[in-house]
Amino acid sequence: KQEVTQIPAALSVPEGENLVLNCSFTDSAIYNLQWFRQDPGKGLTSLLLIQSSQREQTSGRLNASLDKSSGRSTLYIAASQPGDSATYLCAVNTDKLIFGTGTRLQVFP
Amino acid sequence: GAVVSQHPSWVICKSGTSVKIECRSLDFQATTMFWYRQFPKQSLMLMATSNEGSKATYEQGVEKDKFLINHASLTLSTLTVTSAHPEDSSFYICSAILPEGHFEAFFGQGTRLTVV
Repeated sequence: KQEVTQIPAALSVPEGENLVLNCSFTDSAIYNLQWFRQDPGKGLTSLLLIQSSQREQTSGRLNASLDKSSGRSTLYIAASQPGDSATYLCAVNTDKLIFGTGTRLQVFP
Repeated sequence: GAVVSQHPSWVICKSGTSVKIECRSLDFQATTMFWYRQFPKQSLMLMATSNEGSKATYEQGVEKDKFLINHASLTLSTLTVTSAHPEDSSFYICSAILPEGHFEAFFGQGTRLTVV
């Protein structure tokens, strides 16, 4: 059974810091991995999608890496801003999308 | 990107009544859709996989008779919470995976269900 874990569970930082969010999964037989953002009481916003054959994807200040063999993905957020405050979720696709436990991020001015 | 529309965005119902939530893929056909449940400050838990033209596949621990899923067309899946109880109050969200290209998942806006 696929299990997806995210570390840390919560993070509070001053703006301007570069951040690292971690995601680990137990079954490496995945099609892809997605990172999402969720604001309180809202739905999901897709941030980045990494195919199983790829090592990383970049979008603006976001960079996601994937090491499928070790079952790990990392989301880097550069020069964090208060608007980045949200819960970040990773999800692995193995015929169905299984979500990680989430990281609640707060960036304060 | 592809659009998945979920309706209603919020609903309040009395205990014992049934509530139907719709999930539509607006610009692509989805043979498979997924239903998730999210409790406050927790992650999304997969409830079931909705298959067009056939029975849904439920995850372990999810009551089939409580959460009825119908996927009658390639663009519509519905989740009906039957005989709702206050403990069914939660955030329900649907998803569809684009059937070609990168198999990217797209999500509805979610439905906040409150049972009183």
